[in-house]
Amino acid sequence: EAGVTQFPSHSVIEKGQTVTLRCDPISGHDNLYWYRRVMGKEIKFLLHFVKESKQDESGMPNNRFLAERTGGTYSTLKVQPAELEDSGVYFCASSTGGDRGGNTIYFGEGSWLTVV
Amino acid sequence: AQSVAQPEDQVNVAEGNPLTVKCTYSVSGNPYLFWYVQYPNRGLQFLLKYITGDNLVKGSYGFEAEFNKSQTSFHLKKPSALVSDSALYFCAVRDKGSARQLTFGSGTQLTVLP
Repeated sequence: EAGVTQFPSHSVIEKGQTVTLRCDPISGHDNLYWYRRVMGKEIKFLLHFVKESKQDESGMPNNRFLAERTGGTYSTLKVQPAELEDSGVYFCASSTGGDRGGNTIYFGEGSWLTVV
Repeated sequence: AQSVAQPEDQVNVAEGNPLTVKCTYSVSGNPYLFWYVQYPNRGLQFLLKYITGDNLVKGSYGFEAEFNKSQTSFHLKKPSALVSDSALYFCAVRDKGSARQLTFGSGTQLTVLP
């Protein structure tokens, strides 16, 4: 069974440009999450989808970040325009439906973003 | 609010010796607790979790963790460390009563010396 896959694995862009990160969750997982770790700091929650609906987007830092989940399958996270402080690793994760908190959340390899 | 503390940024241990990576947590209710490992330039890999029941939880690669409610701790342990265990370890918590997202600690870099 394929795990959570993310694309691109690495991206280097200039300040002010746009980057779109893609995540394919484990097949059948209704819950999809985005987290990020910037500048070697703590891993921080960004948002949570249940199928195609945003369940919790309290961690999104500002309106330069836009996440979508088309048809409840894959998700994209767009950063527009990118700033230097956005550099870091963006993790996507997924878990099975009916998440009562005890379900294991499986993470992808991460998309490593560098803004120069 | 929920939070996790990993008091040690770095832990060094000799191969073959037991290892402990410390984690304490704070939640308003009862916790779900998790350990993840990140090998260099890789993603987060699930190791083990505590949901309920036995306080000693066994996970992947010979790792285990002990839930201690009175001390609000969930330390990760392994009886005999391997050089290949060298990685970054993250403890995470979810409050059963409220928040759905995982809150992570700052991570502990484990180095096993040959």
